[in-house]
Amino acid sequence: AQKITQTQPGMFVQEKEAVTLDCTYDTSDPSYGLFWYKQPSSGEMIFLIYQGSYDQQNATEGRYSLNFQKARKSANLVISASQLGDSAMYFCITYNQGGKLIFGQGTELSVKP
Amino acid sequence: DVKVTQSSRYLVKRTGEKVFLECVQDMDHENMFWYRQDPGLGLRLIYFSYDVKMKEKGDIPEGYSVSREKKERFSLILESASTNQTSMYLCASSMSLDEQFFGPGTRLTVL
Repeated sequence: AQKITQTQPGMFVQEKEAVTLDCTYDTSDPSYGLFWYKQPSSGEMIFLIYQGSYDQQNATEGRYSLNFQKARKSANLVISASQLGDSAMYFCITYNQGGKLIFGQGTELSVKP
Repeated sequence: DVKVTQSSRYLVKRTGEKVFLECVQDMDHENMFWYRQDPGLGLRLIYFSYDVKMKEKGDIPEGYSVSREKKERFSLILESASTNQTSMYLCASSMSLDEQFFGPGTRLTVL
C-alpha cells in the first residue's frame, strides 16, 4: 500500500531564506505522481506542484521546486525566498491506482520576519 | 478557473441532528471526494464518487452517507450528528488521476 512520510511536524525559516520540506514515499506502483499542497490557517487546500514518476526533470513552479530522488523515494519541496504568506501547513500527497489520495501528516511552516 | 464551493464555512449543530454538507463544482469533473481533517490525523477520506448516483466508501465512512444526484453536486450527510464528528470537512473534485481541487472547507462543531 502507498504511504507518505513527512518527518518534520514543524519548521521555522527566516523571511527571504530558502527552506526544504521533507517527504518520503513508499509505493510498488511503477507509475505514480506526487503532489504538494499548502493549507493556510483559513483552511482551503492550495495546489502547489506536481511530479510524475517518469518526468525527466524536477518540477518547478515559481518559487517552488521539487527535489525528486526516485532511488531514495523522496520528493522534498524547496521554497526559495520565503515570504510571510508562506506560513501554512504543507502536505505531501500521492494517489493509489483507484485514484484515492494518500496524505502525509503535514509540516507546519512558520516564516519569521 | 476551477471552483469548488461548500455551502457553509462554519456550522454548529446539536447531537442527534441531521446535517447536510453541500459541495458544488463548476468544471464538469467526474470525481468528487469528501474528507475530514483532524489535528494529528491529517486528511482522511470519507466517501468518493466517480459518477452520478455512484458512491464508494473511503477509509472512514461510518456515521456518514452521501448523495450524488447531479454531476456538479456531492452532498455529505450526517444522519445523527455526534460530538466525535466535530471536524473540518473538505470537499474536492478532479477530472482524473491528477490534481484535486479543494473547496474552502466547513468547520463543523457538534455540541
